Amino acid sequence: DAGVTQSPTHLIKTRGQQVTLRCSPKSGHDTVSWYQQALGQGPQFIFQYYEEEERQRGNFPDRFSGHQFPNYSSELNVNALLLGDSALYLCASSSRQGAPYNEQFFGPGTRLTVL
Amino acid sequence: GENVEQHPSTLSVQEGDSAVIKCTYSDSASNYFPWYKQELGKGPQLIIDIRSNVGEKKDQRIAVTLNKTAKHFSLHITETQPEDSAVYFCAAKGGSYIPTFGRGTSLIVHP
Repeated sequence: DAGVTQSPTHLIKTRGQQVTLRCSPKSGHDTVSWYQQALGQGPQFIFQYYEEEERQRGNFPDRFSGHQFPNYSSELNVNALLLGDSALYLCASSSRQGAPYNEQFFGPGTRLTVL
Repeated sequence: GENVEQHPSTLSVQEGDSAVIKCTYSDSASNYFPWYKQELGKGPQLIIDIRSNVGEKKDQRIAVTLNKTAKHFSLHITETQPEDSAVYFCAAKGGSYIPTFGRGTSLIVHP
């Protein structure tokens, strides 16, 4: 089992550009959550996808959007990039069954740098 | 919403010593408290968790305690080893089913 995988590993963009990050969940998981982790901070929840729909959303602007595909993989899109969007973006997968005690498995993250 | 405070931000110990990291939370509805370890270049990994109906849980050298009345919980690592060096995050999860994380503690274990 490959666990949660994310691509790309690193990404450099300039202000105003758009970016797409990708995540494949752990085998058997149906729920994908995205987090933003700024340097020296804990992960902050962006949104969660289940059954191809956004189910919950954190305090992030509409520039952040996502998608979940029938195979449970997911994408995070960020439009009109700002310098402050530079961070490690983490994807976490879990099984809906067993909530709220279900364990989340995190991927290694995508390091986004906005210049 | 939930607010989780974590202390200290940095903890330096000698190999073999114990390490304690403390967290407080604000939402009395929170009922699940996981702890994560994040090594350099990796995502957070769950190391232990505790539910609100339990006061203490232990797994080998790691233990977690919860005081619901005071709304605080702690991570205890005994007989620390250099491989325990990492950033540790506490989190609290309640009715929204989404965990709120603390800001992290960088644990350094000196050989």
